[in-house]
Amino acid sequence: EPEVTQTPSHQVTQMGQEVILRCVPISNHLYFYWYRQILGQKVEFLVSFYNNEISEKSEIFDDQFSVERPDGSNFTLKIRSTKLEDSAMYFCASSESQSPYNEQFFGPGTRLTVL
Amino acid sequence: GDSVTQMEGPVTLSEEAFLTINCTYTATGYPSLFWYVQYPGEGLQLLLKATKADDKGSNKGFEATYRKETTSFHLEKGSVQVSDSAVYFCALRRDAGNMLTFGGGTRLMVKP
Repeated sequence: EPEVTQTPSHQVTQMGQEVILRCVPISNHLYFYWYRQILGQKVEFLVSFYNNEISEKSEIFDDQFSVERPDGSNFTLKIRSTKLEDSAMYFCASSESQSPYNEQFFGPGTRLTVL
Repeated sequence: GDSVTQMEGPVTLSEEAFLTINCTYTATGYPSLFWYVQYPGEGLQLLLKATKADDKGSNKGFEATYRKETTSFHLEKGSVQVSDSAVYFCALRRDAGNMLTFGGGTRLMVKP
């Protein structure tokens, strides 16, 4: 069964460093998403991406964040200068369309720890 | 803004017990409602969904009914198994948007 994959599973970085989190969405999906979950808190939407453009983003997704689909398979989230409060589990998701009838499939997550 | 509130866990039950996890929401318009489940070490998986009022979503013995009058989408299962131990998330999605808005998650622990 097709699945969303994410690498690495755990990333440790120093405050102020740049990190890139990688995701491989399901191959025929057109919509891509990033969510995050700070330990003990809710899963929060960051951004959605379609046709090489951001289609929706939350207040959390400020200038420190960027997303890219560098090739036909990968979807990346970059944090330019990490802060302690960026420590969280980051989930990538993908869907065939943006209809509520089409499920968003989630990856297993990348745990980011900023020291 | 939109919000989802679900009962705090952990919920600890014995095998074959009846399960209810409460979920209520606040949203404008007519959102779609979802329950996701997260097993240890895995991503979120869609468990069931309902896209309009009075719809009942069901899967793997779990059920939830979209109640617009009480803005609720409570998850139920008649007889839980040890393998149901996981974290359950209630979520909503507006018609015109992509984003899912999640509740805080409820951890279910089922003991043999």
